[in-house]
Amino acid sequence: GESVGLHLPTLSVQEGDNSIINCAYSNSASDYFIWYKQESGKGPQFIIDIRSNMDKRQGQRVTVLLNKTVKHLSLQIAATQPGDSAVYFCAEIFSGGYNKLIFGAGTRLAVHP
Amino acid sequence: EAGVTQSPTHLIKTRGQQATLRCSPISGHTSVYWYQQALGLGLQFLLWYDEGEERNRGNFPPRFSGRQFPNYSSELNVNALELEDSALYLCASSLGDRVRLAFFGQGTRLTVV
Repeated sequence: GESVGLHLPTLSVQEGDNSIINCAYSNSASDYFIWYKQESGKGPQFIIDIRSNMDKRQGQRVTVLLNKTVKHLSLQIAATQPGDSAVYFCAEIFSGGYNKLIFGAGTRLAVHP
Repeated sequence: EAGVTQSPTHLIKTRGQQATLRCSPISGHTSVYWYQQALGLGLQFLLWYDEGEERNRGNFPPRFSGRQFPNYSSELNVNALELEDSALYLCASSLGDRVRLAFFGQGTRLTVV
């Protein structure tokens, strides 16, 4: 079935370190991949996306890498801060899937001082 | 500018009852999406409304239904509530069908007892 999964349910890092959150996806025909951040009591917030014809995209302190050969997506956060503590979801959009986001189960990032 | 607003924030219902959840999209957004986030799970797509019409539906039973009003606000109705329906229900809106640019509300926490 449709699925976007994650390798690690919880990731603990020290403040200032770099964080890498991984995601495996199943649909090779997906058009876009998106990373969301969800803080406690809030809805998911868009972080960064990448189109399927790209390998890498950088934002402010974040980088998304896409490896279509192994259907793998990663989110790199540089100089992780306490405010980065949240659950991170990857999601994919398949245009043939009538405009819906397919989410993974999420990874909790815990940043320790 | 106001974001996506959902009401109520919390809702407690008894098994077998009906629940109605409401969503007001960002001004100018015509598409509304509903997602279910059960505890410990990722977001599951429920429904997509655009211009008052249901455009797509996820793998949920018919007792999950909704509608979109002329002002683009939306209701999600869940009939014959079951304990497993306990979850955070998230609404998102986007300009047209650009779901990758959708903004999420904070959700309605539905508890079925």
